[in-house]
Amino acid sequence: AQRVTQPEKLLSVFKGAPVELKCNYSYSGSPELFWYVQYSRQRLQLLLRHISRESIKGFTADLNKGETSFHLKKPFAQEEDSAMYYCALRDTGGFKTIFGAGTRLFVKA
Amino acid sequence: GAVVSQHPSRVICKSGTSVKIECRSLDFQATTMFWYRQFPKKSLMLMATSNEGSKATYEQGVEKDKFLINHASLTLSTLTVTSAHPEDSSFYICSATSGRYSYEQYFGPGTRLTVT
Repeated sequence: AQRVTQPEKLLSVFKGAPVELKCNYSYSGSPELFWYVQYSRQRLQLLLRHISRESIKGFTADLNKGETSFHLKKPFAQEEDSAMYYCALRDTGGFKTIFGAGTRLFVKA
Repeated sequence: GAVVSQHPSRVICKSGTSVKIECRSLDFQATTMFWYRQFPKKSLMLMATSNEGSKATYEQGVEKDKFLINHASLTLSTLTVTSAHPEDSSFYICSATSGRYSYEQYFGPGTRLTVT
């Protein structure tokens, strides 16, 4: 069964500290993995996808098929990074997307 | 960027009545739209996938007769909650893509439904 697990509901770090938001998935094929972000009072928006292998707002995420993980990382957190982050898996057989439960990142000054 | 709107942003209705929520893609043609339900402090639960001009595909456990979805045009999908009950109170979010091979979903701002 397809599943996306984000073990941390809340992650609190100090400004300038490294941050890693964990995401593990279960999927029988080759999935597409995404990270979505929702800032306060804003709608959900795409942050990055594993295929593009790019850094967005200083965030990167590497797909580790052996560990079935897609953790989101940033070396130096900023206060404006405080938001809700959702890891998502897209069924390449179709196009529906399954979301994890989300992790709230709080960056303290 | 692509914009998706939802109307209304919040609605209160009485038990037993029906309420319709609209989802519109404002500047692109959305061949596929998705409806999600978000419970407090929980993730988005996919309810159904709708393709323009065809019947929606519902996820397991979602009552198709209760949550009627219509995707009559490339820019509009509607979700009608029929015979609403207090347990239907939730935050409903739609998203849209411009095609089967388009990976990015554009999300609406959501609709807060309260059933009294």
